[in-house]
Amino acid sequence: EVQLVESGGGLVQPGRSLRLSCAASGFTFDDYAMHWVRQAPGKGLEWVSGISWNSGSIGYADSVKGRFTISRDNAKNSLYLQMNSLRAEDTALYYCAKDMGRRDDSSGHAFDIWGQGTMVTVSS
Amino acid sequence: SYELTQPLSVSVALGQTARITCGGNNIGSKNVHWYQQKPGQAPVLVIYRDSNRPSGIPERFSGSNSGNTATLTISRAQAGDEADYYCQVWDSSTLFGGGTKLTVL
Repeated sequence: EVQLVESGGGLVQPGRSLRLSCAASGFTFDDYAMHWVRQAPGKGLEWVSGISWNSGSIGYADSVKGRFTISRDNAKNSLYLQMNSLRAEDTALYYCAKDMGRRDDSSGHAFDIWGQGTMVTVSS
Repeated sequence: SYELTQPLSVSVALGQTARITCGGNNIGSKNVHWYQQKPGQAPVLVIYRDSNRPSGIPERFSGSNSGNTATLTISRAQAGDEADYYCQVWDSSTLFGGGTKLTVL
């Protein structure tokens, strides 16, 4: 079964850090780009960051650039998001999502598999 | 920066056809993807590259894209189709529309 399972969320004070993880199974992880997408309570979807299959291409939303770092460990079938200098506006459910493009460095593919998300709450 | 415009809500009678639009400047030149999200659940891809259905998505779901508007069409709407629907494109980065809440009456 193809599956993505996020972990690492929680309550954190403004200015502090948190590291999210996403464990992948059921597909050849190192063939696909991966992404983080977040959803603030009662709001829509916001793409946060993406990383290509070989980590050669990485992108960030302007709202997190310079504060968040995406990475992956293909040997462990895992995706990560290091979040520093957290703000109240970073409060959201963070989803891990698989890109449809197989070993394709072009952009603009759909996300065909999503995890259930991990909640991050930034509050004092 | 590129913007995507979706209606906040769309209503459809049970068994009728619902159309959800996603507007953007020359969006017809871009690949548009659509997601369905039910309350408390993760998004599910229902249409990719304008008009392609992933495995397991009913034929009642279809998509089109031309000019400044992409459209997700849901034929023979069912109660189980009630959800939020989001369009997605690429324009220097991944962008999502604001989402449309579909109500089946």
